[in-house]
Amino acid sequence: GGIITQTPKFLIGQEGQKLTLKCQQNFNHDTMYWYRQDSGKGLRLIYYSITENDLQKGDLSEGYDASREKKSSFSLTVTSAQKNEMAVFLCASSWSQNTLYFGAGTRLSVL
Amino acid sequence: DAKTTQPDSMESTEGETVHLPCSHATISGNEYIYWYRQVPLQGPEYVTHGLQQNTTNSMAFLAIASDRKSSTLILPHVSLRDAAVYHCILRVASGGSNYKLTFGKGTLLTVTP
Repeated sequence: GGIITQTPKFLIGQEGQKLTLKCQQNFNHDTMYWYRQDSGKGLRLIYYSITENDLQKGDLSEGYDASREKKSSFSLTVTSAQKNEMAVFLCASSWSQNTLYFGAGTRLSVL
Repeated sequence: DAKTTQPDSMESTEGETVHLPCSHATISGNEYIYWYRQVPLQGPEYVTHGLQQNTTNSMAFLAIASDRKSSTLILPHVSLRDAAVYHCILRVASGGSNYKLTFGKGTLLTVTP
């Protein structure tokens, strides 16, 4: 089996701050994803990457950047945190378009 | 837009068998039906998936209608640990070009002792 590790687990930022979330997977999966989940709502796809150095925009990419420098890691940057923003950011990986495996999430709060 | 429809919530009692419905009237022939579940403070966890035939594993039984426009996730003898939000989603098989997986709000399953 494998595991997806997201860091940090909790992130508190200031309005306007650039914040970076990291994700590591040891499944050797080719595809990785970043989703955002707001309280009581479904998951919205921000970015995904089908291989190293590839980036594909999802439905919610505005306000975010992503980076896939190596196969095992996928980072997400909030380019300018919005005041009172609260959400959970979930990283996932899969072999091609097969089953997704998720990390435990990074919980963001912006003061 | 989500392509599946699920009830917002369902309630059950420990030991019961729970049937979680999902409607996917516009499903395409190359789309698999996937079920994930999510407990608080965790990401979604894979439960099962199927294309046309009913499937079973250690976690659940997936019943797929013959026209594939609906499916039911059956959880036998639920325990408190089965309380979660259950997501029913559609995913194109490998070889396609759609990597986007759309998660709706899912069904919140509450289990009481």
